[in-house]
Amino acid sequence: DVKVTQSSRYLVKRTGEKVFLECVQDMDHENMFWYRQDPGLGLRLIYFSYDVKMKEKGDIPEGYSVSREKKERFSLILESASTNQTSMYLCASSRTGRNTIYFGEGSWLTVV
Amino acid sequence: DAKTTQPPSMDCAEGRAANLPCNHSTISGNEYVYWYRQIHSQGPQYIIHGLKNNETNEMASLIITEDRKSSTLILPHATLRDTAVYYCIVRRNQAGTALIFGKGTTLSVSS
Repeated sequence: DVKVTQSSRYLVKRTGEKVFLECVQDMDHENMFWYRQDPGLGLRLIYFSYDVKMKEKGDIPEGYSVSREKKERFSLILESASTNQTSMYLCASSRTGRNTIYFGEGSWLTVV
Repeated sequence: DAKTTQPPSMDCAEGRAANLPCNHSTISGNEYVYWYRQIHSQGPQYIIHGLKNNETNEMASLIITEDRKSSTLILPHATLRDTAVYYCIVRRNQAGTALIFGKGTTLSVSS
């Protein structure tokens, strides 16, 4: 089975901190994605990557950056966390040209 | 990519079939219909997808109309564990793109 693992399930960070959310997949998938989910707003795409060192902005990239140095790992970075970034963050992966994507369990981030 | 329209919520009695509709009137010939669901506090889960023909797997059946402008996801015997948000997405299988999720349909299964 495909496994997408997010490093932290629950995090509490202070405003202004630099936050790293890590995601690892074990199926040699080319594509990896970061979404956030908020009540009433649904799932929104932040960034995705279709190859190592490649990245594309999604619908809401402001305040975030990403890193994909290895195929299996995709990191989401909050350079200076703010309270409006309190959310559930979901990582996902898929093969090139396939829309069957596999999600991790999610990371609940609270910024205080 | 074609947009989809789903009812915001539906109810279903346990043991009965749940039929979740999706309209995608602007779908183009090379776009697939995908269904995902999200159980509370978990990541979305792939259910099924199709292009033209009806599809069935161990989780559900997908019925696509002949003109492809709408589809129905069928859960043949809904259980309480099927309570979730169901997303219908229309997308090409194309490299370098990402799935965009709408608001979906909240299905509530009750005993």
